[in-house]
This record gives sequence, C-alpha cells and structure tokens, in this order.
Amino acid sequence: IAGITQAPTSQILAAGRRMTLRCTQDMRHNAMYWYRQDLGLGLRLIHYSNTAGTTGKGEVPDGYSVSRANTDDFPLTLASAVPSQTSVYFCASSEVASGGDNEQFFGPGTRLTVL
Amino acid sequence: AQKVTQAQTEISVVEKEDVTLDCVYETRDTTYYLFWYKQPPSGELVFLIRRNSFDEQNEISGRYSWNFQKSTSSFNFTITASQVVDSAVYFCALSEAEGGSEKLVFGKGTKLTVNP
Repeated sequence: IAGITQAPTSQILAAGRRMTLRCTQDMRHNAMYWYRQDLGLGLRLIHYSNTAGTTGKGEVPDGYSVSRANTDDFPLTLASAVPSQTSVYFCASSEVASGGDNEQFFGPGTRLTVL
Repeated sequence: AQKVTQAQTEISVVEKEDVTLDCVYETRDTTYYLFWYKQPPSGELVFLIRRNSFDEQNEISGRYSWNFQKSTSSFNFTITASQVVDSAVYFCALSEAEGGSEKLVFGKGTKLTVNP
C-alpha cells in the first residue's frame, strides 16, 4: 500500500509559470488537504476537500486552486507562480471529513522553488 | 479562532536526558482533538498521538508520554531518556471542525536536537 504519493518530489519554476502539484491516495479516504510548510511558520492549510466533487478554502488559498474529480486525486495548481510560493507542499488525507478525531496521513511532500 | 502555540522554537539536549515539549492551544469548541506529529530530517510527517477533549488521562507509549490539561489548555509531550533518533521537528495540532469539515491547525513546531 503506497498511501499518499506526490509528484514531483521537487521542482524549480520560473515566476509566472503555471504548475500543478499532483497528489494521489490509495486509501479511499474521503477528505484530502493541501498544506504548505515554511520555516518558522509550521504547516498552513491551503485548500481542502471533504469528498469528491467538493472543495474549500483554507488559511492561505490565494494564488492556488484545486479540483477533486474523483476520490483518489487532489491536484494543486499555481496559475502564475510567484517567489512567495516557494515552499514545501504536503498533501494529506483522512478517512472522513468531520468528527475531529481523524488522523491525517501525509504524503512525502513536494519542494517547490519559484525564481 | 483556533490557535496552537509552541513557545519553544528549538531545544538541544544530550542523549538520555528527559525533555518536554510544550503545547498550548486556544479554542472555543467544547469538543476538539489534539495531535502530535513528528517530522524527522527526512521530511515526512509521522503521526504520534491523538487525544480528544473529554479524555484527560495521560498517555504513555514507550519513552513517550503526553500530559493533557484542559485547565491550562496544554498538551505537553515528554520524551524520557532521549535518543539521537528522536531528533526531529515536533508539531502540535488542533482539529477544527467547522462547516462539516475537519482542518488541522498546527503550531510552528519545536526543533529537538539530541546530541550523543
């Protein structure tokens, strides 16, 4: 069982370019999340999805978009990358969306550098 | 708004010392969940523990123990007889159940270095 896979592992991107970070889970979890991790700031939620077909905004959604066409995939798109989006991006999933007691499983992360 | 504070940015100890990582949270919810995650130098996030707001029993798992006190809104994590392999960044998190979804609010993390 792979759990959550993210691609690419790392990427250097020119400012202004479009980029999609991929996330796939094989646990049939309903809920999925995208976080960014910046030094000294911990992890901050970008977008989330409670179930296939629905998405919501987290704490820092500006400049990012997501889609959830099916249960397994939750891509994160930067329409026009800016240097402040340089970060490590983590995708996560949990079995259900509500209740508060669900452990979130995290992918290995994507290190993105925007120049 | 929900908030998690980890006041210790970095801690350095010598192997076999005990170390406590502090976590203080703020929430208006009566039902909530607290988590600890470990991020070793390899970068992945490893789940350590989940605790709900109705269960104030301390928990021990090997060298790890957690002290949850609602009166002080704290959920502290103690490593007994620390080892070099414990070196990592540790995150405390609070689940926020809002609008039918569950989101984790993370503290900024505490970097623990255990020296041989």
